[in-house]
Amino acid sequence: DTEVTQTPKHLVMGMTNKKSLKCEQHMGHRAMYWYKQKAKKPPELMFVYSYEKLSINESVPSRFSPECPNSSLLNLHLHALQPEDSALYLCASSPYGAPGYTQYFGPGTRLTVL
Amino acid sequence: AQTVTQSQPEMSVQEAETVTLSCTYDTSENNYYLFWYKQPPSRQMILVIRQEAYKQQNATENRFSVNFQKAAKSFSLKISDSQLGDTAMYFCAFMNTGNQFYFGTGTSLTVIP
Repeated sequence: DTEVTQTPKHLVMGMTNKKSLKCEQHMGHRAMYWYKQKAKKPPELMFVYSYEKLSINESVPSRFSPECPNSSLLNLHLHALQPEDSALYLCASSPYGAPGYTQYFGPGTRLTVL
Repeated sequence: AQTVTQSQPEMSVQEAETVTLSCTYDTSENNYYLFWYKQPPSRQMILVIRQEAYKQQNATENRFSVNFQKAAKSFSLKISDSQLGDTAMYFCAFMNTGNQFYFGTGTSLTVIP
């Protein structure tokens, strides 16, 4: 099983809503990542979890709150988002937090903030 | 900070022909990793090929091969016998020893039947 799954596929939310994105992998990977990708742009790293601990936070606004309940699951909690936060949110995982390992990407959640 | 440059925003190639996508990067590190990822329209990003900087031999993966020139900081991707399914955005990526990815701006490749 070389799959990273993400739910939901699409999400529309208002600026006052609270919602969560979910990412799951069953490859035994110990590093998981959240990226934000705008149309026709490369992914931008938001957060990295290594062995269930937050290891990198790329100065992301506090309206994005990551959570890693266990080694297979990664959540991104959203609150009070802005329209400019509309984007494709990608989750990825890699075998370890050490450098050089390939990251496997999920299909993404396309988020629209009204 | 590392930068990755893909100077060709868009390219096209006839089916069954060969195409080369260019990528250059800037780093002061000696040990690092380079990747090409493919993102088809509305589909997820998948790894095409990976190269370790300490390996002189160019990586190959079926119809995909790279030309890695460490001194020139160049990492181009060659796609042979192009197929319609190769139509996608291609991202070159650099990973440092801190495990951070730096992506290029992408090259949109269209394979023409």
